Amino acid sequence: SYELTQPPSVSVSPGQTASIACSGDKLGDKSASWYQQKPGQSPVLVMYQDRTRPSGIPERFSGSNSGNTATLTISGTQAMDEGDYYCQAWDINSGGVFGGGTKLTVL
Amino acid sequence: EVQLVESGGGLVKPGGSLRLSCAASGFTFSTYSMNWVRQAPGKGLEWVSGISSSSKHIYYADSVRGRFTISRDNAKNSLYLQMNSLAVEDTAVYYCARDLGAALGTISLDYWGQGTLVPVSS
Repeated sequence: SYELTQPPSVSVSPGQTASIACSGDKLGDKSASWYQQKPGQSPVLVMYQDRTRPSGIPERFSGSNSGNTATLTISGTQAMDEGDYYCQAWDINSGGVFGGGTKLTVL
Repeated sequence: EVQLVESGGGLVKPGGSLRLSCAASGFTFSTYSMNWVRQAPGKGLEWVSGISSSSKHIYYADSVRGRFTISRDNAKNSLYLQMNSLAVEDTAVYYCARDLGAALGTISLDYWGQGTLVPVSS
């Protein structure tokens, strides 16, 4: 079965750049999506097709995907960006696989 | 305004069955693929199942294949998940989510319901 791996946690200082990686076999050949989830809330799509921001998502969010790694980058990170982030990709055999999630802390 | 409202959750004993529903509004339901995603308490997201707009294509996670059945009624703007042979490990909040449909062979869930809790316990 297809698997996506994320670091359990990432810390960043306010105003700095946060990068969250998601790795999987030949992930660059697939399309990665990213979700933000805050405590007690439903997930929110923040990036799709590797680098496309949905309407309403701030420009400080960007994405890339190449080789075996997709990356969500948050520039000028703000306190409101704290939360859990999940990557997701479609695999014909495993379906809509999620990564294990990364807790972003803005210190 | 797009709305997805799940219902049908509740306490069930191991080995029991439950049917979840998701009522959709604010968009043309019949033109979107839909999915179920679950989240066990304190854990990450797990994709459960997906169904294409016409129900022609249906997919399941290995963990639920053979026990869960996804279906939809486009006339009623509703999505369903029939869950049989439930186990303690199926305890989770179950979310209904719409696929943006950005491109074939991709998944991007742009709208989510608030979730419905399914505790499986004796």
